[in-house]
Amino acid sequence: GAGVSQSPSNKVTEKGKDVELRCDPISGHTALYWYRQSLGQGLEFLIYFQGNSAPDKSGLPSDRFSAERTGGSVSTLTIQRTQQEDSAVYLCASSFGGGKNTEAFFGQGTRLTVV
Amino acid sequence: GENVEQHPSTLSVQEGDSAVIKCTYSDSASNYFPWYKQELGKGPQLIIDIRSNVGEKKDQRIAVTLNKTAKHFSLHITETQPEDSAVYFCAARANAGGTSYGKLTFGQGTILTVHP
Repeated sequence: GAGVSQSPSNKVTEKGKDVELRCDPISGHTALYWYRQSLGQGLEFLIYFQGNSAPDKSGLPSDRFSAERTGGSVSTLTIQRTQQEDSAVYLCASSFGGGKNTEAFFGQGTRLTVV
Repeated sequence: GENVEQHPSTLSVQEGDSAVIKCTYSDSASNYFPWYKQELGKGPQLIIDIRSNVGEKKDQRIAVTLNKTAKHFSLHITETQPEDSAVYFCAARANAGGTSYGKLTFGQGTILTVHP
């Protein structure tokens, strides 16, 4: 597609369940970012993938959070044993290489609600 | 790692007035500074960016200034219109060799409201 695509757009899950959020970056983009945005808050960095380098996982809030990027393209963010405080909008962005000063394009986000 | 502070958190102006949002950053290796606009229910969109080799950049009613010595940069919107109402985020990123290589670090955001 023309832009960054995230699915699902909305997800309601019960506390304790696992969820998977998907991000399809723009074709050819080697850098991919996940951010979390709680209601009325800023953008909290979660994880960053750049080409074949080891991902920067320094923003993951707990070991319940993990992410992978298969084949350098699609990424999946997994949250295990969801808690109510995990409720937020999860945003994915991609760009041409983290080493270049290029624009990062964001998807529309996945709104996660844990009940 | 990089730390970006953004002020003010909320800004209310009358249509036609100017709006200024300021950001400071901590990592001297940062050399790319984008500004994003986020409308309700949408992902952030880039509106303007500046690189460390220039001090100012302008695009119609929007301008950004950068002071590398003081490690701060600002967004200026002139002749504001109601459709400028949104949340604005600044960000900073280091190029190769920086302590936060390639990673965009965002400010906390500014809610701008332009009253007709």
